[in-house]
Amino acid sequence: DTGVSQDPRHKITKRGQNVTFRCDPISEHNRLYWYRQTLGQGPEFLTYFQNEAQLEKSRLLSDRFSAERPKGSFSTLEIQRTEQGDSAMYLCASSLGSGVVFGPGTRLTVL
Amino acid sequence: GENVEQHPSTLSVQEGDSAVIKCTYSDSASNYFPWYKQELGKRPQLIIDIRSNVGEKKDQRIAVTLNKTAKHFSLHITETQPEDSAVYFCAASIKAAGNKLTFGGGTRVLVKP
Repeated sequence: DTGVSQDPRHKITKRGQNVTFRCDPISEHNRLYWYRQTLGQGPEFLTYFQNEAQLEKSRLLSDRFSAERPKGSFSTLEIQRTEQGDSAMYLCASSLGSGVVFGPGTRLTVL
Repeated sequence: GENVEQHPSTLSVQEGDSAVIKCTYSDSASNYFPWYKQELGKRPQLIIDIRSNVGEKKDQRIAVTLNKTAKHFSLHITETQPEDSAVYFCAASIKAAGNKLTFGGGTRVLVKP
């Protein structure tokens, strides 16, 4: 599979629990992005990496959120002490030049 | 930061008619403008993009126009088909600033057979 993949596809958790999502970008893509999408809205930028360096974080990314891309390949997004407002689709995307390719997303439901 | 406005929020057209979606952006430094199609429960898929040094680009039934002076760009779909029904998002970015995309609010297009 040469596309962007994400795992898990769905996650249901209780408020206060920690969750971690994984993204595997297209192998030759050096940039990796995380977006969040709520129902009926466009994706909102959270953070991006160029290779292993995290170059920008949105103010939407509170201190409960952390993202890593340790070897410049796959990335993880962790949310600590989840809140109901964190319920959303978390989309990973990657690019080499201008074309940004999205993964299928991880749908998070916080009960 | 960049702000992208998209209109209309919903659009219903008869099969075979044309559909036009309009977006405006606020940051004059933006120089890359992609359009994504998102079907229910699926990922956003890039359908066409345009760079700021080009005024118009066409790919089969889809075309995009850009007016840098007015800071607006539009998506045109001709000869619409039922499979064009989806939510369409415009976006803007600055390529040199990591190509971080700022999306519009989306347009739900319904093509009636």
